[in-house]
Amino acid sequence: KQEVTQIPAALSVPEGENLVLNCSFTDSAIYNLQWFRQDPGKGLTSLLLIQSSQREQTSGRLNASLDKSSGRSTLYIAASQPGDSATYLCAVRNTGNQFYFGTGTSLTVIP
Amino acid sequence: EAGVAQSPRYKIIEKRQSVAFWCNPISGHATLYWYQQILGQGPKLLIQFQNNGVVDDSQLPKDRFSAERLKGVDSTLKIQPAKLEDSAVYLCASTKTGVDTGELFFGEGSRLTVL
Repeated sequence: KQEVTQIPAALSVPEGENLVLNCSFTDSAIYNLQWFRQDPGKGLTSLLLIQSSQREQTSGRLNASLDKSSGRSTLYIAASQPGDSATYLCAVRNTGNQFYFGTGTSLTVIP
Repeated sequence: EAGVAQSPRYKIIEKRQSVAFWCNPISGHATLYWYQQILGQGPKLLIQFQNNGVVDDSQLPKDRFSAERLKGVDSTLKIQPAKLEDSAVYLCASTKTGVDTGELFFGEGSRLTVL
């Protein structure tokens, strides 16, 4: 069964810093990997989707990479802002339309 | 394009009472999921539908939870009777199937508090 791990569980950085969030998975037979943001009391908002054939995706200050063979993905956030404070989750999708989630990284950006 | 709609957003009930949550997925999305998210944890799949058929309900506590997706569009998740440990956010999500990006979209969630 696919297992998804996110490290660190929590991260606190000063505003303006660049940071990296990590996601690892045990089974490399994935269809895609998706990064989400979750604000307190809210649902999950999709940030970036990487297909299994892709190496990275970019959206604004966000860049996500995927190394399927090693079972790893990273989410890079450039020039962090207080508004980036949230929990970030990654999820991998298998070919059976099943999604496996990590437990998330809680990010706090200090003004 | 309208997103995934869920209601109610919040519900407080006493243990042993019943509750129902409703979800309307994005138009054209054949696959619908219900997840349970306990504070500090990732979403846990309860049930997966493809159109109006159940694909996976292996983690659904069937003695108290039930879900249906009549006509393959909107869905209802019911809990009866509720237990204290059912306090959580219930998330509905949907995605297309077939040749597409495979992106998963979530609703705002329904927060349940069982007293």
